[in-house]
Amino acid sequence: EPEVTQTPSHQVTQMGQEVILRCVPISNHLYFYWYRQILGQKVEFLVSFYNNEISEKSEIFDDQFSVERPDGSNFTLKIRSTKLEDSAMYFCASSAMQGSGYTFGSGTRLTVV
Amino acid sequence: SQKIEQNSEALNIQEGKTATLTCNYTNYSPAYLQWYRQDPGRGPVFLLLIRENEKEKRKERLKVTFDTTLKQSLFHITASQPADSATYLCALHTNAGKSTFGDGTTLTVKP
Repeated sequence: EPEVTQTPSHQVTQMGQEVILRCVPISNHLYFYWYRQILGQKVEFLVSFYNNEISEKSEIFDDQFSVERPDGSNFTLKIRSTKLEDSAMYFCASSAMQGSGYTFGSGTRLTVV
Repeated sequence: SQKIEQNSEALNIQEGKTATLTCNYTNYSPAYLQWYRQDPGRGPVFLLLIRENEKEKRKERLKVTFDTTLKQSLFHITASQPADSATYLCALHTNAGKSTFGDGTTLTVKP
């Protein structure tokens, strides 16, 4: 079964530092997404990405955040100047097409101290 | 504002019974709706997708219905098993890929 791979599984960073969360989507998928889930809360949409550009983003996805597909396999989320409230599990997902099921990765637990 | 409500935080049922989970939404016109399973500390796992022009979908012991007039989806697990115990999430999606998840319902199936 193809998987979405996320690294690292856990990242601890100092407040104000920049972090890059990495994802390798399923190879033939064309649509990519980032979500976050604060402990005990719901899964929140951050951004969707298709054809090398952002399709949609939420109110959470402000100038602090950016996404990139630097090569044919990786999909990254960069968080600049991290804040304590950025501590959450960040999930990457991919789908083959619009209107098909999403495959989620196992997540990166980001802890900002 | 857009709102999604899943019927209850927790649902306890006996093994072998049918579990029915509800997802209601307001101020939203989704292109499709998905149901996911999430286990503690893990990412959501896709179960079923239903489009706005579909009424019902089935997959093995799972069934989902979608009523865009009532703005409601029902998710059924028949012949439930203890292994079905998990949190179940509904999520509404636009065609552009923006999605909104519900808070989830934690199902416990007792032997």
